[in-house]
Amino acid sequence: DVKVTQSSRYLVKRTGEKVFLECVQDMDHENMFWYRQDPGLGLRLIYFSYDVKMKEKGDIPEGYSVSREKKERFSLILESASTNQTSMYLCASSIPDRNTQYFGPGTRLTVL
Amino acid sequence: RKEVEQDPGPFNVPEGATVAFNCTYSNSASQSFFWYRQDCRKEPKLLMSVYSSGNEDGRFTAQLNRASQYISLLIRDSKLSDSATYLCVVNPPDSWGKLQFGAGTQVVVTP
Repeated sequence: DVKVTQSSRYLVKRTGEKVFLECVQDMDHENMFWYRQDPGLGLRLIYFSYDVKMKEKGDIPEGYSVSREKKERFSLILESASTNQTSMYLCASSIPDRNTQYFGPGTRLTVL
Repeated sequence: RKEVEQDPGPFNVPEGATVAFNCTYSNSASQSFFWYRQDCRKEPKLLMSVYSSGNEDGRFTAQLNRASQYISLLIRDSKLSDSATYLCVVNPPDSWGKLQFGAGTQVVVTP
């Protein structure tokens, strides 16, 4: 079974803090994704990585950065958290040319 | 215009009834289509792929209409456990594995 894990289920941070969200997958998938999910807006792609040290901006990259130093790990960084980044963050992984994305359980981030 | 549009619902369905809903997509060159299911406060999971000829998986039937650019999902004999949000997902051309997700249709099956 594919397993995608995220470092925290719930996180509360203060405005201006630097926030790290970690995602690890155990199936040697090349592709990894970070999304945020907000009511009525669905999943929006923040960043995408198709290989180690390779990254590509998604639809809403502003205020975020990512790091992929190892194939199994993809980190999302909020350099200076703001209240409008309060959201559910979902990580996913997939094999290139295969369309099934496997999601982690999500991190519900609240920025006060 | 959103690339993938869905009726958010909720669709309130008595147990045992049939419910159907659609989703429309904007890129006519899209090649593959899926339905994902998301339970409350859980992650999305693949429910089924949607093939051109239509396909069935137990009580679930998916259809694709390329001419009108929509896909549909029909659930027969609804169970309480079918209560969830159903996400319509499209794989556009040259996407490098990036999928487009609809915002979801909520289904609530009532006793």
